[in-house]
This record gives sequence, structure tokens and C-alpha cells, in this order.
Amino acid sequence: DQQVKQNSPSLSVQEGRISILNCDYTNSMFDYFLWYKKYPAEGPTFLISISSIKDKNEDGRFTVFLNKSAKHLSLHIVPSQPGDSAVYFCAATYGGSQGNLIFGKGTKLSVKP
Amino acid sequence: DGGITQSPKYLFRKEGQNVTLSCEQNLNHDAMYWYRQDPGQGLRLIYYSQIVNDFQKGDIAEGYSVSREKKESFPLTVTSAQKNPTAFYLCASGGAKTYEQYFGPGTRLTVT
Repeated sequence: DQQVKQNSPSLSVQEGRISILNCDYTNSMFDYFLWYKKYPAEGPTFLISISSIKDKNEDGRFTVFLNKSAKHLSLHIVPSQPGDSAVYFCAATYGGSQGNLIFGKGTKLSVKP
Repeated sequence: DGGITQSPKYLFRKEGQNVTLSCEQNLNHDAMYWYRQDPGQGLRLIYYSQIVNDFQKGDIAEGYSVSREKKESFPLTVTSAQKNPTAFYLCASGGAKTYEQYFGPGTRLTVT
């Protein structure tokens, strides 16, 4: 049973527009969420995270929103750039998990010039 | 430069052979992790280690083995018992006070 779900396998946006990547989770124990970016044949790179005590965290062009009641988080990238084209993974964890992250299957973002 | 190294980048083996993937980190992290990624799939946890000389099975440990004799090193052996060993293998490490994990560049293993 997937505890972290990214229901959109792919997303295409125009350069300069906003990209919104979505993630849903089922385990109410999760209290920390992370987004990773991955290029083909490379390891994932940590992007941004959010604790469950917050509902928003911002870092430059990247903002993550958390809706605990809906068990939903989203990553906003604005403005989108061609270099943002990659696979984005959502991950979740909680205090008693020994630091283990549960990953979604990823969303492939394509930003067209 | 601090980071995680995995070698080699590409590895080819014949079916029935054991193969060991290397992972080294100089970030002084206590925890280290091995994941496997298959096309269209997320990252699945194979093994993890929170401290030297101790490690635990992840979700898909069957057919794999690990050791953690040094803080910096966490090698993964893919044994002949692993039914579908061809995959992209990723090693990661994490500090004690943070949930963020930092990944190496990965090793693509092809078994024929």
C-alpha cells in the first residue's frame, strides 16, 4: 500500500509559468516532508522540506505548501525554467521512523522554452 | 569537498555472480542508506545503518547484504539470490539531527 502518492506521472509547463507538483499521503504519523529533484542517471538532490508545524516554506523560486487535514502537499516553482526539467520526488517521514524516508513514484516535469 | 561517492558508475555482471557496490561518505554522517530505483518507480529502501556495526533490513532486503565496519563506508552486495538485480542503486547518508538525506551519483547495475 503506497503511503506517499504522486498521482501525476508527468507535467508540462511553459517557461516563466508556475509549476505545481502534488503529493498525497495516507499515514497520519508523518510529520516531516521533503522534495527531491532528480536528473537521469544521477542521484536525487534535496530541494526543500517542511515540518508539520508549518503550512508553508519558501526558498527562492520554490515553495512547499502543506495541508494536514487533506494530507496533501504541493511544490510550487515560479517562474519555471528549462533547467527545472527533471523528476521530482516527494518523501515523508516521522519521528519514530529512524530517519527512513518513504518516497512517492515521482513526477516528471518538462519546462518548455 | 564533502560528499558521497559511489563506484563504479556502470557495472555489468553475469547472472549467478555476486557483486559489491561501493559507497563512501566524508560528511561525518552517522546514518547511511541503500535504495533501488526501477523505471517509473520511486526509491525503495534496501538496507540502512544508523551506526557502525549495526544495520537493519529495509522494504526489499531479500537477495542483498551489507556491512558497516567504518562510519564512512557502507558497501552493498547484490547476491545471486536477488531475482531482478538489474536496477539503478543509490546510496545516501544523513545526520543525526536532520531528516534530510544526501545521495550519491548512483550505480547502474546490469545483470545478463
